[in-house]
Amino acid sequence: QVQLQESGPGLVKPSGILSLTCDVAGVSISGTNWWSWVRQTPGKGLEWIGEIYHTGSTNFNPSLKSRVTISIDKSKNQFFLKLSSVTAADTAMYYCAREFSGGHSFEYWGQGTLVTVSS
Amino acid sequence: EIVLTQSPGTLSLSPGERATLSCRASQIVAGKYLAWYQQKPGQAPRLLIYGASNRTTGIPDRFSGSGSATDFALTISRLEPEDFAVYYCQQYGDSLFTFGPGTKVDIK
Repeated sequence: QVQLQESGPGLVKPSGILSLTCDVAGVSISGTNWWSWVRQTPGKGLEWIGEIYHTGSTNFNPSLKSRVTISIDKSKNQFFLKLSSVTAADTAMYYCAREFSGGHSFEYWGQGTLVTVSS
Repeated sequence: EIVLTQSPGTLSLSPGERATLSCRASQIVAGKYLAWYQQKPGQAPRLLIYGASNRTTGIPDRFSGSGSATDFALTISRLEPEDFAVYYCQQYGDSLFTFGPGTKVDIK
């Protein structure tokens, strides 16, 4: 079955770069689905960060677009998130997810990884 | 950006009762782009309903979605103990996904 697993540093310094990897198992990342990053905080709730297709096409949340890079490695069945110039407001649980073919929702999720921004 | 508002914030009910959760959008949402999720503590959200009214594979038929335009609802016909959780609606429009703030269904 489809499984996603986030990994990366749990602590990032302010003004630094948050970098996460999503390992995808059970399905090829080169299929017909888009792949997304979503974060969750107690204050702002669930927030979509951006998405990538296996061709490398991307779309981003306008509120984060200037700081976000999403990339993909088809050979390793992975995709990645980089968020630059982080502040305490970027402290959140970060999820990777596969979008549902039936229409712009998120069918499969990783378990999430908590990233704290602090010096 | 389409803003989603969910009500009530908390719904206190007993097992066996019917739950009706509301999701209202600030602009018209294309019906097939409205989804509902369930989230339990320490877990990722779980997709229940897509396209406003279609259950995902494996979701019990006590869960049903309805609505169109700016007003949508999730109904749980008879609450089971495992249904006490937080529920989120989500929409896609103008190349942007947004989520509602959630409704917590807890045990009365």
